[in-house]
Amino acid sequence: AQKITQTQPGMFVQEKEAVTLDCTYDTSDQSYGLFWYKQPSSGEMIFLIYQGSYDEQNATEGRYSLNFQKARKSANLVISASQLGDSAMYFCAMREGNQAGTALIFGKGTTLSVSS
Amino acid sequence: DSGVTQTPKHLITATGQRVTLRCSPRSGDLSVYWYQQSLDQGLQFLIQYYNGEERAKGNILERFSAQQFPDLHSELNLSSLELGDSALYFCASSAEGGAPGELFFGEGSRLTVL
Repeated sequence: AQKITQTQPGMFVQEKEAVTLDCTYDTSDQSYGLFWYKQPSSGEMIFLIYQGSYDEQNATEGRYSLNFQKARKSANLVISASQLGDSAMYFCAMREGNQAGTALIFGKGTTLSVSS
Repeated sequence: DSGVTQTPKHLITATGQRVTLRCSPRSGDLSVYWYQQSLDQGLQFLIQYYNGEERAKGNILERFSAQQFPDLHSELNLSSLELGDSALYFCASSAEGGAPGELFFGEGSRLTVL
């Protein structure tokens, strides 16, 4: 079974609008971490935001926020006020356990296209 | 700049050949991870090394092997190459202990097998 599921292969949004990229996860661990990465067309992987399973508040980093719904096992990325430079592939990932030094499991990604 | 260095950036070779990809982790990071990104499989974890020892194994083929050297750089060896091995190979490194434990990725090595 897939541990990380991203059901939207592609999303389209206009500049300045908000967009939500969906991610659901599957784990039996009580401690885990959820990550979002951005991959622009140039190919590098850029870390965006992190949410720990015990964090009570949703994580925010500038225009990025993570809508964490533990009971539903979802960790959606919300990008506010989209910019042309947000056009990229976005990956949701999970680390099982609460310690750094563990490999991340990635979803298949969502391609976001922002138009003017 | 993530601080993770990968070479070569691009590699074109023929089926049946062998190649070596090299990675230098961020200064101070003891863990190195290798991932394969192909169009149909997404980002697949291959293998992790920690301070010279294999720590975790993912979907790594038997034709592939890796090692981490005393200076902490790592090499991924791909042999008996097939067309399906064409992919972007990422190396990543991470710090130890506590959250968040994000991985810092290199720019990748794009392998084309003809």
